[in-house]
Amino acid sequence: NAGVTQTPKFRVLKTGQSMTLLCAQDMNHEYMYWYRQDPGMGLRLIHYSVGEGTTAKGEVPDGYNVSRLKKQNFLLGLESAAPSQTSVYFCASARDLTDTQYFGPGTRLTVL
Amino acid sequence: KNEVEQSPQNLTAQEGEFITINCSYSVGISALHWLQQHPGGGIVSLFMLSSGKKKHGRLIATINIQEKHSSLHITASHPRDSAVYICAVRLYSGGSNYKLTFGKGTLLTVNP
Repeated sequence: NAGVTQTPKFRVLKTGQSMTLLCAQDMNHEYMYWYRQDPGMGLRLIHYSVGEGTTAKGEVPDGYNVSRLKKQNFLLGLESAAPSQTSVYFCASARDLTDTQYFGPGTRLTVL
Repeated sequence: KNEVEQSPQNLTAQEGEFITINCSYSVGISALHWLQQHPGGGIVSLFMLSSGKKKHGRLIATINIQEKHSSLHITASHPRDSAVYICAVRLYSGGSNYKLTFGKGTLLTVNP
């Protein structure tokens, strides 16, 4: 099993460009999460999903959109990137709400 | 006010020393997680606990629900234990119990 994978690992964007980050898990987990990690701050939840076809906002959702068309994939989109979105993005999945979360390796995004 | 406070922020130890990292939280929780993040970014869940104590190898996690406090201990520390250790809590009830609230992490460096 690959666990949780993220694509790409690194990306540099210019302000205003768009991109999609892909998260894939092969553990048949219902719950999937997107976090961002910034220096001096704890991980913060952007969006999450409790099952295929569902998404919900976390604590910092502005400027991001998500989709969960297939159970194993959770996509995070930036429609018009801003320098404030420079961060490391982590995806995680879990069997249910109370289960351990399994994290992907992260995507380092720089917006110039 | 941060709902999850970790101490110390940075910790340097010599190989073989006993390490303690502390986590305090301010509200009722249903579970507390300890995670490890190595240089290079990957995040791994170490423990999830709601009461008492758990042990895995040289790692021990304890929680005192009444005092709203948890500790992570590392016995016979080794340079490979060098990492950021993150405490996260799931709030007990209400609209926020879908997410984890993370501390800022404790950077542990173990010198040979």
